[in-house]
Amino acid sequence: DAEITQSPRHKITETGRQVTLACHQTWNHNNMFWYRQDLGHGLRLIHYSYGVQDTNKGEVSDGYSVSRSNTEDLPLTLESAASSQTSVYFCASSYTSSYNEQFFGPGTRLTVL
Amino acid sequence: AQSVTQLDSHVSVSEGTPVLLRCNYSSSYSPSLFWYVQHPNKGLQLLLKYTSAATLVKGINGFEAEFKKSETSFHLTKPSAHMSDAAEYFCVVSDLTRGKLIFGQGTELSVKP
Repeated sequence: DAEITQSPRHKITETGRQVTLACHQTWNHNNMFWYRQDLGHGLRLIHYSYGVQDTNKGEVSDGYSVSRSNTEDLPLTLESAASSQTSVYFCASSYTSSYNEQFFGPGTRLTVL
Repeated sequence: AQSVTQLDSHVSVSEGTPVLLRCNYSSSYSPSLFWYVQHPNKGLQLLLKYTSAATLVKGINGFEAEFKKSETSFHLTKPSAHMSDAAEYFCVVSDLTRGKLIFGQGTELSVKP
């Protein structure tokens, strides 16, 4: 069955370190998205991609970067982790079109000490 | 610009009683609307979606939602709550720009025995 996976599921790191969160989907979706979920803020869009070599900033992109070298993967990098980036991160994917729902991964809980 | 407002941050019901989770949306165009559910420490799962077909949409686990253009509402209902329905529910509108989603703040549903 097609699926979307994230790794690691839990990560503890220190302030200033570079961290990369992996997202892999086997749906063959063009669109991929990264969100963060924080209490009181719901889900906020960090970055998104509409296809290979395409990346776009979301509403909370500062301190994060992504790259899309193939259809299946969209890794999220925190260039220099900050305590404010402690959060739960969700990756999602969808077919092209505003009518199509997004499929979400299980999430990565990141703690920055 | 599209936006969505969930009118209750927390709803508590007794098992076997009806569930009503309220959502109002704002959109310049005919929107695509979704309800997602998130159980504790899990990813988001699609409950149902509206894409300009029937205004009454049936989803999984006995949930349904009615699109009311005149009231700009998309409320989620279920005739009889089950303990397993306890979760966070998100009302979501699709941005017309190729599948970006705009999330409400979420409604936490508690179900008492």
